Amino acid sequence: DIQMTQSPSSLSASVGDRVTITCRASQSISSHLNWFQQRPGEAPKLLIYTASSLQSGVPSRFSGSGSGTDFTLTISSLQPEDFATYYCQQSYGTPYTFGQGTKLEIK
Amino acid sequence: QITLKESGPTLVKPTQTLTLTCTFSGFSLSTTGVGVGWIRQPPGKALEWLALIYWDDDRSYSPSLESRLTITKDTSKNQVVLTMTNMDPVDTATYYCAHRIGRIGTTFWWFDPWGQGTLVTVSS
Repeated sequence: DIQMTQSPSSLSASVGDRVTITCRASQSISSHLNWFQQRPGEAPKLLIYTASSLQSGVPSRFSGSGSGTDFTLTISSLQPEDFATYYCQQSYGTPYTFGQGTKLEIK
Repeated sequence: QITLKESGPTLVKPTQTLTLTCTFSGFSLSTTGVGVGWIRQPPGKALEWLALIYWDDDRSYSPSLESRLTITKDTSKNQVVLTMTNMDPVDTATYYCAHRIGRIGTTFWWFDPWGQGTLVTVSS
């Protein structure tokens, strides 16, 4: 199985801050990496696909980068609605594993 | 607009078989490149991919659960059904179905959108 490791597991930040979340794959997955946002009580929502493509309707303050084994999700200026849990997921090979999540909390 | 909705029992007993139905609209499961996946999330924990069925009826399963899972589709009803046998309390989770879409001609794909999820509790 390809293991996906996110860091940090939790993060406290303030509105307006720039935040970066890292996701590392246990083997190369090219750009087969997607990012999801999950607010409490809601289903996950796609933010970024193929490592760096912004999903339609997602604010441009979200961006993704990386390839191979190391990936990042950046939020350029945090807004109140961005406080949520973020997951990376690899779509390179079965089982299609997710990271353990990064909970972004208000400082 | 693509929508998906999960349905099934909210409570099952240990050793029973769980049957969940994903009813969708806005796409056809006979369209090349399209699929429907199932993902679960135990309370307070991370997401776990379970199974995926493709437009051509190909299927893939999580190896750790493959012996217990079956995924099928009914294209005419716009439904995908997941069965999981021998349920255990550790299978208590919210179960989601999601639309699988990919970039034509490549191996790139992603889940979007997801259903609202259904919480299944396993308890005697």
